[in-house]
Amino acid sequence: SQQGEEDPQALSIQEGENATMNCSYKTSINNLQWYRQNSGRGLVHLILIRSNEREKHSGRLRVTLDTSKKSSSLLITASRAADTASYFCAYTGNQFYFGTGTSLTVIP
Amino acid sequence: EPEVTQTPSHQVTQMGQEVILRCVPISNHLYFYWYRQILGQKVEFLVSFYNNEISEKSEIFDDQFSVERPDGSNFTLKIRSTKLEDSAMYFCASSPRRTGGFGDYGYTFGSGTRLTVV
Repeated sequence: SQQGEEDPQALSIQEGENATMNCSYKTSINNLQWYRQNSGRGLVHLILIRSNEREKHSGRLRVTLDTSKKSSSLLITASRAADTASYFCAYTGNQFYFGTGTSLTVIP
Repeated sequence: EPEVTQTPSHQVTQMGQEVILRCVPISNHLYFYWYRQILGQKVEFLVSFYNNEISEKSEIFDDQFSVERPDGSNFTLKIRSTKLEDSAMYFCASSPRRTGGFGDYGYTFGSGTRLTVV
């Protein structure tokens, strides 16, 4: 399977702390995206990083990409209770693959 | 903000029945997709659709499944004879181009249809 793996599977932090989630993938990619899913709801696109980029910022989000290690990380700074959700990486190989997801709980 | 709209939000059906899940993609998007997520499991690719034909499909997308863009705005997923294991959240997505290329486009996903087969 070329599906990605994310770690940790679950992460619980206090409000105000930073949350870091990692994604590893197995195929060469054109870009990698991060999505958020609130429980039972749809997927919301957060950020896209191209294969020739190493870092990208969007508000409190910071994404890094290391194509030599086939890995990406998503950092959420100054987390809020409303950030509680599952976070998925997704990338295109010969199809569009989703990682297994990290369940983030931010405790108020 | 343009949205991908999916209806119904929840569908309960008896095993063996046919179901049609409906999606209205963003109007100027050209690529359409269906994904599913069995409860507590990974999001899985089912099929992509471009220029009125299937461009890619996964091994999950067998002869029980079909897709159609009947009228230029709707994009439907039909399951001919539902099985218990078809119970899942089904997501429709659209994009203005394939994300294999450059460009700051992600996919836009709908909020999903929860299919329960009993």
